Amino acid sequence: KAGVTQTPRYLIKTRGQQVTLSCSPISGHRSVSWYQQTPGQGLQFLFEYFSETQRNKGNFPGRFSGRQFSNSRSEMNVSTLELGDSALYLCASSEPTGMSTEAFFGQGTRLTVV
Amino acid sequence: AQSVTQLDSQVPVFEEAPVELRCNYSSSVSVYLFWYVQYPNQGLQLLLKYLSGSTLVKGINGFEAEFNKSQTSFHLRKPSVHISDTAEYFCAVSGIGGTALIFGKGTTLSVSS
Repeated sequence: KAGVTQTPRYLIKTRGQQVTLSCSPISGHRSVSWYQQTPGQGLQFLFEYFSETQRNKGNFPGRFSGRQFSNSRSEMNVSTLELGDSALYLCASSEPTGMSTEAFFGQGTRLTVV
Repeated sequence: AQSVTQLDSQVPVFEEAPVELRCNYSSSVSVYLFWYVQYPNQGLQLLLKYLSGSTLVKGINGFEAEFNKSQTSFHLRKPSVHISDTAEYFCAVSGIGGTALIFGKGTTLSVSS
């Protein structure tokens, strides 16, 4: 079974631009969550999508948005990039049913804003 | 709201020595608890999880953790570490039925020979 796939692995953008990151979850998983990892703030929850609907949202500005498609693939978008948006963005997929909640993480997309 | 505190940012140990990585959490509701490991330039891999039942949880690679509700702790232990255990370890919590993981700041385990 293929794992969580994130593309691209590395990205360099200029301040003020926008960026779109992609995540393909494990086959059969309908929940996709996004996390931002920085040296200063650590791992922070961005948002979670389930069956194409945003079900939960962290404390990030509106420049951070996401969506999920009918095949469960998800994208996150960051508009008007700031230097502080440089981070590793991790996607996790899960099928939170019953007592088996477990998030499977992709390798991440390393975004550098210059 | 939940929060997680990992009490040690760095833990250096010698190969074949035992190790304990400490984690305390705060929550007003019942929680699920997790330990993840992250190798350089990689995503997170689940080591073990506590959902309910026995408070001693065994995971992959010889790791185990004990849930202590009265002390709100979930410390990770391994009786004998290897060089290959060198990595960043994260403790995380989620509310039961919740979908967001709240992570601690991480503990860097450095194993030397």
